[in-house]
Amino acid sequence: DAKTTQPPSMDCAEGRAANLPCNHSTISGNEYVYWYRQIHSQGPQYIIHGLKNNETNEMASLIITEDRKSSTLILPHATLRDTAVYYCIVRAYAGNMLTFGGGTRLMVKP
Amino acid sequence: AAGVIQSPRHLIKEKRETATLKCYPIPRHDTVYWYQQGPGQDPQFLISFYEKMQSDKGSIPDRFSAQQFSDYHSELNMSSLELGDSALYFCASSTYPEEQYFGPGTRLTVT
Repeated sequence: DAKTTQPPSMDCAEGRAANLPCNHSTISGNEYVYWYRQIHSQGPQYIIHGLKNNETNEMASLIITEDRKSSTLILPHATLRDTAVYYCIVRAYAGNMLTFGGGTRLMVKP
Repeated sequence: AAGVIQSPRHLIKEKRETATLKCYPIPRHDTVYWYQQGPGQDPQFLISFYEKMQSDKGSIPDRFSAQQFSDYHSELNMSSLELGDSALYFCASSTYPEEQYFGPGTRLTVT
């Protein structure tokens, strides 16, 4: 699976949009971009995934650049409960394991 | 909605003892994954099962073994426990190859 690079930490004001970037310049054609988050010591939580088109669900939006070398997770109206470590993971659709690396620690502040 | 169930939630063992962790996947999920998360670290994949057969193996010590039973629940058996085995152990389940849903974890403390 391709390697990802994320900023180690970010702050966001409550009620504002949180934009979390991820670089995955070595992504290959059959690899998807997945986002998970982990709120302190809880089990990781699936957020969203995509291949090349932008995706949106009730939790977030995922914007993938046309060359697929980077993506941005958008939480449209961050709340204090969104404070967590956010992991961007590149994985083949039929792949098995998730490889968690680094992640971005998002702190939502009042 | 039903979630992944893990038991026990907390476990304290002494060095060289044996521990068994249990995982009950979301109904109709056919794949189970085990991850280990040490203090201050990211989750690391240990092993997975699809339709009761081992499907992938990560950095799982030889002292650890796991299986998936006919009712799809899974057990992770850890023997000769070491202090370094103290960690959170997460189980996740999915309908292969869809997204994985994680349980609340078992916190294992080895003293």
